[in-house]
Amino acid sequence: AQKITQTQPGMFVQEKEAVTLDCTYDTSDPSYGLFWYKQPSSGEMIFLIYQGSYDQQNATEGRYSLNFQKARKSANLVISASQLGDSAMYFCAMREIQGAQKLVFGQGTRLTINP
Amino acid sequence: DGGITQSPKYLFRKEGQNVTLSCEQNLNHDAMYWYRQDPGQGLRLIYYSQIVNDFQKGDIAEGYSVSREKKESFPLTVTSAQKNPTAFYLCASSPEDGRMNTEAFFGQGTRLTVV
Repeated sequence: AQKITQTQPGMFVQEKEAVTLDCTYDTSDPSYGLFWYKQPSSGEMIFLIYQGSYDQQNATEGRYSLNFQKARKSANLVISASQLGDSAMYFCAMREIQGAQKLVFGQGTRLTINP
Repeated sequence: DGGITQSPKYLFRKEGQNVTLSCEQNLNHDAMYWYRQDPGQGLRLIYYSQIVNDFQKGDIAEGYSVSREKKESFPLTVTSAQKNPTAFYLCASSPEDGRMNTEAFFGQGTRLTVV
């Protein structure tokens, strides 16, 4: 069974600082994908970044990067130069190639950017 | 514009009533999903469907039912058997193309309240 753990219920960061949101996962499947989503107060889910289990390099998308440590089964999201608009819930999710390829989510981290 | 449409945005249900949440997508995606989100919590999978006329239970299927008669539509019925249905419901879809890096696209959500 797969499992996603986000251990930080809430994070408070000063504007323009970098922030790291933690995500650890558990799977026995050698092939899997890891995703990060942002959920503003409006409730919509916004896809941010993807990391594949066989990817050799850490994924980057603009101010978002993923610190992927496969041996430790962690996939932390790094947001550089945080902005007030980054305040939101952030979810880590995983999909395995075996089974139904369903997307399973962690509990989320509420990020608050202070001016 | 392609996307996923959930309706209604807000829904109120009396005790003992069944209600149906609508989810329509025009992205030509094979897979569709229903998630439940409680306040401050992550997303939990209710049901998913990888192909028309077929669907599987997720982690919290009790008290819910779905149908998948058309590729574009995946309605969720919250039955009277669901004892605590007040939550935010999110519908998602993704291409079922075997690639791990295809993210799920989400609707805007339906907020269901039992009165």
